[in-house]
Amino acid sequence: QVQLQESGPGLVKPSETLSLTCAVSGYSINSHHYWGWIRQSPGKGLEWIGSIYQSGYTNYNPSLKSRVTISVDTSKNQFSLKLSSVTAADTAVYYCARRSGYDLDYYFDYWGQGTLVTVSS
Amino acid sequence: SYVLTQPPSVSVAPGQTARITCGGNSIGSKSVHWYQQRPGQAPVLVVYDDSDRPSGIPERFSGSNSGNTATLTISRVEAGDEADYYCQVWDSSSAHYVVFGGGTKLTVL
Repeated sequence: QVQLQESGPGLVKPSETLSLTCAVSGYSINSHHYWGWIRQSPGKGLEWIGSIYQSGYTNYNPSLKSRVTISVDTSKNQFSLKLSSVTAADTAVYYCARRSGYDLDYYFDYWGQGTLVTVSS
Repeated sequence: SYVLTQPPSVSVAPGQTARITCGGNSIGSKSVHWYQQRPGQAPVLVVYDDSDRPSGIPERFSGSNSGNTATLTISRVEAGDEADYYCQVWDSSSAHYVVFGGGTKLTVL
């Protein structure tokens, strides 16, 4: 059974960098899947942040691209998110998820439980 | 960028059929995926590739997609179906790639 678990600070100060890690269990991150981050601001909808492949290839939401870095550590079977220069608008529940599908038809079939990150001084 | 439009809310009585729409330009040419999100929980994939169901999802959940509208249909609605529902596509024609609809709150009366 594929399981994902987010971890990281729940409180980040404005202008600092948000850092989260997603630990994957029950499945190898070296498989033919991408792994992604999605966030949800309080009371709002879902926003895709970006995705990464085992090779390290990434693609990002252009609206966040200048501030986002996603990396993968295959030895630890985990991947990470860094979001720089955060503001209150970055306060959200952050989810990690596995991306499945093929031929430019992709969806997220396994999700972590999510972790709330609050940006506040 | 590609936009997906969902009604903010849909209400239905128990035992009836709920239909949640997702509108987009020529969305019928794309594959649409649907997620259920109960309060305080992570989203769960309930339909992928327009009309396929992951294992463990009841047959009451079905999907269709044609023209400019995709539809998630929930038959014999139960109280436990009350949740937010999101549609999603992969748009390679814009730089956004993953696009989510704004979500629909399903209320079971």
